Parts: sequence; structure tokens; C-alpha cells
Amino acid sequence: NAGVTQTPKFQVLKTGQSMTLQCAQDMNHEYMSWYRQDPGMGLRLIHYSVGAGITDQGEVPNGYNVSRSTTEDFPLRLLSAAPSQTSVYFCASRKGQYRDYEQYFGPGTRLTVT
Amino acid sequence: QQQVKQSPQSLIVQKGGISIINCAYENTAFDYFPWYQQFPGKGPALLIAIRPDVSEKKEGRFTISFNKSAKQFSLHIMDSQPGDSATYFCAASMHASGGSYIPTFGRGTSLIVHP
Repeated sequence: NAGVTQTPKFQVLKTGQSMTLQCAQDMNHEYMSWYRQDPGMGLRLIHYSVGAGITDQGEVPNGYNVSRSTTEDFPLRLLSAAPSQTSVYFCASRKGQYRDYEQYFGPGTRLTVT
Repeated sequence: QQQVKQSPQSLIVQKGGISIINCAYENTAFDYFPWYQQFPGKGPALLIAIRPDVSEKKEGRFTISFNKSAKQFSLHIMDSQPGDSATYFCAASMHASGGSYIPTFGRGTSLIVHP
């Protein structure tokens, strides 16, 4: 099992550019989510999905889109990058919605927007 | 509004000492409290978790103490080791409107254990 994989590891964008952060898991997990981590701010939820075809907004969804066409993949799209989106992005998955299911995080993507 | 308050922001402990990290919450709907450990350049990993129906949970050198009436919980690391140096996040989960359990994270504590 590769677990949760994210690509790319690092990315530099110019303001206004768009890009997609990739996330995949091979554990057949229903629940997937995206977080951003900023210094001194902890992890903040951007979007999440409880299964293929179902997504919902988290705490900080503005400027980001997601889709879930398969169980394995959950890409995060930045439509028009802004310097405020400079952050480390983590994808996570867990078996289901139940609270006791362990949440597994990917290694992260460090994004810089200039 | 910060729903989960974590302190201290940073902590330095000598090898063999006890590390204590505290978290407090306001929303009584929270009913699951995990702690995560994150090493530099890595994603967070679940360390230990507790439900509000118990006051303490121990796994090896790591113990969660939970005080439901005070709405506080803490992580104790006994016999702290240099390998424990990492950032620790507390979290609190509750049932969201769509039925999912959504965790809210504290802002993290950077722990350094000196040899």
C-alpha cells in the first residue's frame, strides 16, 4: 500500500495562474479531505468528500474547487492563484465518516504564489 | 473564532522529562479528541485519541487526560526523548450537518527535547 500520495511536492505559481494538486489513495477509503497548513494556524479544512460524486465545503473553501469522480482520486483545483494561497496543502483519507476511523495524511504539497 | 485553543505554542524539555500540552474547547458537541504528531516535511499522523466517556487513555509513554466539565484535555509525554521532537496538534471532532465527523485542529505545539 502506498497510502495517500500527493503530487507535486513543491510548486511555484504566479498570481492568476491555475493548477491542480493531485491526491490519490489506495486504501479504498470513502472519506477524503484537503487541508491547508499555515504557520501558527494549525490545519484548516478546505473541502471534503464522503464518497465518489459527493463533495462539501470546509472552513476555508474560497478560491478552491474539488471533484470526486473515483474513490481513489480527489484533486484540488486553484482557479486563479493568489499570494494568500501560499501554504502547505495536505490531503487526507479515512475509511468512512465514523469518528473512530483513523485519518491518514499525505506528505503534503508546498505551494508558493508570487 | 478559535474553537480549539492549544498551548503552549512551543515547548523545550530535557531528555527524560515530562512534556505537557494543553487544549481547551467551547463547543460541547465535540465528542472525539485525537492528537496528531508531525515531523518536519511530513504529514501529521494520529498519535492517540480519546472519547469523552473516559478521563484518561494511555498508550506507552503517551497519555491523554480529559476533563469534560472543564472542557479541557491534555497530552502528557513521559520520559521524553529527542525522537519525540515534533509538532503536536490536538483536535476535536463533531458530527457535521451532512453526517460526517469533521475535526477542528488546534494551532500546534512545537516540542524540542534536548539530549
